[in-house]
Amino acid sequence: EVQLLESGGGLVAPGGSLRISCETSGFNFYTYAMTWVRQAPGKGLEWVAGISSSGRDTYYTDSVKGRFTVSRDTSKTTVYLHMKNLRVEDTALYYCTKTAAAMVYYHVDVWGKGTPVTVSS
Amino acid sequence: EIVLTQSPGTLSLSPGERATLSCRASPTINNNYLAWYQMKPGQAPRLLIFDASIRATGVPDRFSGSGSGTDFTLTISRLEPEDFAVYFCHQYGTSPPFSFGQGTKLEIK
Repeated sequence: EVQLLESGGGLVAPGGSLRISCETSGFNFYTYAMTWVRQAPGKGLEWVAGISSSGRDTYYTDSVKGRFTVSRDTSKTTVYLHMKNLRVEDTALYYCTKTAAAMVYYHVDVWGKGTPVTVSS
Repeated sequence: EIVLTQSPGTLSLSPGERATLSCRASPTINNNYLAWYQMKPGQAPRLLIFDASIRATGVPDRFSGSGSGTDFTLTISRLEPEDFAVYFCHQYGTSPPFSFGQGTKLEIK
């Protein structure tokens, strides 16, 4: 069974940093692209970042470019989202997702349950 | 960027009835790269349909997707109690970032 388990969310002050993780199991991690999607309170879903199966290609939504970095560790079958210069508007439930192909240009077929990030003073 | 508009925002129906959910795209989605997901509180979202009309593994055949270009539909032929949830569409036919619809809440009437 494919499983995605997010962790590392929490409360951080504006301007602070946080790294959230997504431990995966049940599939060939090095074969699939992975993405992060977030949902702010009372809002819709927003695609945040994606990384190809090899890790060579990364993509970001404009509002996080230069502040967020997505990475992956094949030996740990884990994906990370490093977030810095956090803003109040980054407050959201962050979902880790698996794409059904090696590149991000395909549908998401598995989601985690999410980890909450709150940016507040 | 492709904007997805889902309608209605809330749909109130009874078990056994047919549900029709709409997702309208502007502009056109290439290759009909549109997916539908089901979301329930405290659970991971679940893939129902991809490439507009292909049912994901394990999804009951009462769920079907149709449409192309700018107009897409998710149909649930006969609602079961467990089908009452939030449904959202997602396009992956452009360069990232991809976009999502705002969701349709399917509630018990």
